[in-house]
Amino acid sequence: DAKTTQPPSMDCAEGRAANLPCNHSTISGNEYVYWYRQIHSQGPQYIIHGLKNNETNEMASLIITEDRKSSTLILPHATLRDTAVYYCIVRVGYDYKLSFGAGTTVTVRA
Amino acid sequence: DVKVTQSSRYLVKRTGEKVFLECVQDMDHENMFWYRQDPGLGLRLIYFSYDVKMKEKGDIPEGYSVSREKKERFSLILESASTNQTSMYLCASSLLGTGGSYNEQFFGPGTRLTVL
Repeated sequence: DAKTTQPPSMDCAEGRAANLPCNHSTISGNEYVYWYRQIHSQGPQYIIHGLKNNETNEMASLIITEDRKSSTLILPHATLRDTAVYYCIVRVGYDYKLSFGAGTTVTVRA
Repeated sequence: DVKVTQSSRYLVKRTGEKVFLECVQDMDHENMFWYRQDPGLGLRLIYFSYDVKMKEKGDIPEGYSVSREKKERFSLILESASTNQTSMYLCASSLLGTGGSYNEQFFGPGTRLTVL
């Protein structure tokens, strides 16, 4: 699996968009980008995934650069409940195994 | 609402004890997983099951075994607990993927195990 690099932490104001970057410069053509998050004292929660097109669901948007070497997760209107550790993962679509690194600790402030 | 439940949120055991961690899912998922999560090491897969009585080793199976007698239940067993097995244990489940598709994993709340 390609390695990912995320900033260790970031702050965001409540009601504003939160833009979470992820670098994956060694990504292969058949590897997807996945995002999970983990709220304190809870299990991880799936957010979104994509291959090369931008994706949007009820939780977030995923923007993948044309060369696929980086991506950005966008939480359009951050709330205090979005405070969590966010993990960017790169792996092939059929691979069942998840492996998280340190992620980005996002703190949403009122 | 989909649900993965784990038998305990917190557990304290002594070195050498046999420990059972239970996980139940109500989504009729084929796949079930046991992970452990440690500061600085992230999330690591211990064992995986894709069907009743079927299991596969993950990255760190040593010191653990699993049992899946019913589709909805997946148990993690520490035959003789050791202090280095103090960790957060997370169970997850997902649908069986077909044709290269991805199916999200749904996680339980975790069991924080302390081995003294």
